[in-house]
Amino acid sequence: KNEVEQSPQNLTAQEGEFITINCSYSVGISALHWLQQHPGGGIVSLFMLSSGKKKHGRLIATINIQEKHSSLHITASHPRDSAVYICAVRWTSGSRLTFGEGTQLTVNP
Amino acid sequence: DTEVTQTPKHLVMGMTNKKSLKCEQHMGHRAMYWYKQKAKKPPELMFVYSYEKLSINESVPSRFSPECPNSSLLNLHLHALQPEDSALYLCASSQEGSGNQPQHFGDGTRLSIL
Repeated sequence: KNEVEQSPQNLTAQEGEFITINCSYSVGISALHWLQQHPGGGIVSLFMLSSGKKKHGRLIATINIQEKHSSLHITASHPRDSAVYICAVRWTSGSRLTFGEGTQLTVNP
Repeated sequence: DTEVTQTPKHLVMGMTNKKSLKCEQHMGHRAMYWYKQKAKKPPELMFVYSYEKLSINESVPSRFSPECPNSSLLNLHLHALQPEDSALYLCASSQEGSGNQPQHFGDGTRLSIL
C-alpha cells in the first residue's frame, strides 16, 4: 500500500526555535509537495520538489530520494508560522496526490 | 489573497436543499480539483477536471455533481446531502493535471448540513 507518514503529529515550539517536520513515503515518487494550512482553512503550496533542496525565506525543504524522506525546516520560528503542515506526494505510477496526516505546529511567543 | 476564489465561504443547508459551490481561477490553469476535508484530516480528492473534461471521479456519491462550464470555472452541485457531508470543500487548480505542478488552493467553502 502506498503510504505517506509525517512526524511529529503535533509540535509546540517557542518563538525563535528551529523546527523540523519529517515526511516518509513508501515507494517511488515523481514529486513531493509541502503545504501549509491555517485555521481558516485555506491551503498554501510552500514547495514542490523532486530532488535536492529548496529555500524560500525562513523555510527550507529537502528530499532524499534514496531514503524516501523529506524534511521541512523553519528557521527563527514565529507565532504566525502556527499552522498545519502537510506533505503530499505524487507516486511515479499515478497522477493524483496522496496526503500525509499533517503536523500541527504551534509557536508560542 | 488567494488566486483561486471560492464562493460562498460558508453554507448551511437542509438535506432537501439544492445548492452549488463555485470556484474560479484566472491563471490559465487547465486542471481543476475538488477536495473534501473533514476536521483534523487531510484533504480527500473528489474530482479532477483536465482541459474541461472530467478525468477523475473518486467514486463520489451522485448527490455531488461537478460541472466545468469553461477553463476558469468549476462548480459543485449539491442535492439531498447527508449530515456526514458536512466538511470543508476545497477547490484547487494547476497548470496541468499530472501532479508535477504545484496546486493552488482556494480558501474553501465550509458546508454544514442540518
